[in-house]
Amino acid sequence: SQQGEEDPQALSIQEGENATMNCSYKTSINNLQWYRQNSGRGLVHLILIRSNEREKHSGRLRVTLDTSKKSSSLLITASRAADTASYFCATDAANSKLTFGKGITLSVRP
Amino acid sequence: NAGVTQTPKFQVLKTGQSMTLQCAQDMNHNSMYWYRQDPGMGLRLIYYSASEGTTDKGEVPNGYNVSRLNKREFSLRLESAAPSQTSVYFCASVWETGVQETQYFGPGTRLLVL
Repeated sequence: SQQGEEDPQALSIQEGENATMNCSYKTSINNLQWYRQNSGRGLVHLILIRSNEREKHSGRLRVTLDTSKKSSSLLITASRAADTASYFCATDAANSKLTFGKGITLSVRP
Repeated sequence: NAGVTQTPKFQVLKTGQSMTLQCAQDMNHNSMYWYRQDPGMGLRLIYYSASEGTTDKGEVPNGYNVSRLNKREFSLRLESAAPSQTSVYFCASVWETGVQETQYFGPGTRLLVL
């Protein structure tokens, strides 16, 4: 299966700390994306990193991709209570649909 | 510019009843998807439509039918609801180039089948 698997399943941190979430996948990909889902809402696209990229930034988000290890990490710096949500990685490979992992639940304590 | 809209937001059905979940997008995307989300299972693709007039099965199509009414609208129908179909249903509209796709999700429909 192409499905990404996030790690850890749940993460609880204090406001102001950094949050690091990981995603591993099984086969070669074209790109990897991270989405956020707030409670009771749909998923929202955060950032995309292509297979030929190693690192990408967007505001307080930093994504890395290691294709040799088939893994990615999402770092949220200086976390805020509003970052509390579930985070999903999604992998996109040739001739297959975008496949989502099961998600990581992040709780940021005020 | 509403993005992706879904109706209804909530629905309670009795076993055997039918209903149609509606989805519409105003982003002029060709592709639209229907997912269900269950605790511990992540998102599972039910059906998708790569363009107006075409539909294809996803990972979990049994018990569902879809209609791509036009480019904007993609509906999901439960002909005879079962308790196993209790879930949160999300519609997504897909922006795609030749090498990547980004999905835009609706707010979801929460369905309880008794």
